[in-house]
Amino acid sequence: EDKVVQSPLSLVVHEGDTVTLNCSYEVTNFRSLLWYKQEKKAPTFLFMLTSSGIEKKSGRLSSILDKKELFSILNITATQTGDSAIYLCAVRETSGSRLTFGEGTQLTVNP
Amino acid sequence: DGGITQSPKYLFRKEGQNVTLSCEQNLNHDAMYWYRQDPGQGLRLIYYSQIVNDFQKGDIAEGYSVSREKKESFPLTVTSAQKNPTAFYLCACSIDGDLAQYFGAGTRLSVL
Repeated sequence: EDKVVQSPLSLVVHEGDTVTLNCSYEVTNFRSLLWYKQEKKAPTFLFMLTSSGIEKKSGRLSSILDKKELFSILNITATQTGDSAIYLCAVRETSGSRLTFGEGTQLTVNP
Repeated sequence: DGGITQSPKYLFRKEGQNVTLSCEQNLNHDAMYWYRQDPGQGLRLIYYSQIVNDFQKGDIAEGYSVSREKKESFPLTVTSAQKNPTAFYLCACSIDGDLAQYFGAGTRLSVL
């Protein structure tokens, strides 16, 4: 059975801190790993990673994949209160379009 | 505006009742998905459809049913067989199975 594990499950930081969120996975035939941010309702897409070692960056957020060690990290630098959200990691296999999600990391950024 | 719309935002179900959650998209995406989210948990796949008139069970399909008669619509029925339906339900679509999924705003279902 496919498995996606995120850590930590929750994290509280102060504005300006840098955070690293982790996602490890076990899937039979890996194709891609996706990160989403869920503030109140709809998860919004952040990154899709398919190749090891290539960093994807968007503003203060960045992510990288390690296909040998089967994990990905999501970094957020200079955190702001607006970064408070649940961050979801999901993995897709080659055999179809379905995603397997982790439990999510609840990030709280205090002023 | 292009997007994916779920309705209603809030829904209450009585004992023994079937209820249907609506999901409509005008993005012309082929694939559509239904997920359930419980507090403190990630998203779990209920059903998905990669083309019209075809759909597959996800990990927790028992007590649910779907149809895909039109490309833009993928309604989910929560049947009376689903004994613990209280959850947040999210619908998603993707242009094809290989790209990112985009989510609707969700429906929160509660039992009266």
